[in-house]
Amino acid sequence: GAGVSQSPRYKVAKRGQDVALRCDPISGHVSLFWYQQALGQGPEFLTYFQNEAQLDKSGLPSDRFFAERPEGSVSTLKIQRTQQEDSAVYLCASSINGENTEAFFGQGTRLTVV
Amino acid sequence: DQQVKQNSPSLSVQEGRISILNCDYTNSMFDYFLWYKKYPAEGPTFLISISSIKDKNEDGRFTVFLNKSAKHLSLHIVPSQPGDSAVYFCAASTFGNEKLTFGTGTRLTIIP
Repeated sequence: GAGVSQSPRYKVAKRGQDVALRCDPISGHVSLFWYQQALGQGPEFLTYFQNEAQLDKSGLPSDRFFAERPEGSVSTLKIQRTQQEDSAVYLCASSINGENTEAFFGQGTRLTVV
Repeated sequence: DQQVKQNSPSLSVQEGRISILNCDYTNSMFDYFLWYKKYPAEGPTFLISISSIKDKNEDGRFTVFLNKSAKHLSLHIVPSQPGDSAVYFCAASTFGNEKLTFGTGTRLTIIP
């Protein structure tokens, strides 16, 4: 497709369960970002890839969060032992080269931890 | 601490009038600013951006103004249309650091 695709759109997880969220960026986009958006807030940065290299993971809230982009295209955000405070919309974005260019966002994955 | 602030959570404007959305920032290292629009259950959609070397950028009905000394930017939409009803996010970045820092958003409602 032409845009950033995320799956699943919705995920309900029991507390303690591991989850994996997938992002397919726009073809040819070098930069890929993950953001977390809590209800009523703006998106908050989690991590950034340039091709397969994870250049910034300063926003990951704990070591339960892990992201990868092994071949420089599809990315997966994994959350281990989910907790209720992990409930949020997880947004993926991609851009051609990251610097001073607009990022294009996917529709997000809404994660609810019960 | 909130480095990008949108102090108005909501704004209602009559159709055809001008909508003005405001954004303030505290980090003087920010040099690129963007506005995104978000409909429910969708991801943010890029609207318009401005580099710190400019003070104005225009694209159709949308104009962004940047006042670096006041660390303030605004988005003007004229004329406002019903399809403009959405949540608008201001975002900022620093050259060499690609991540975006977002404000909390302003919900714009255009009244027919």
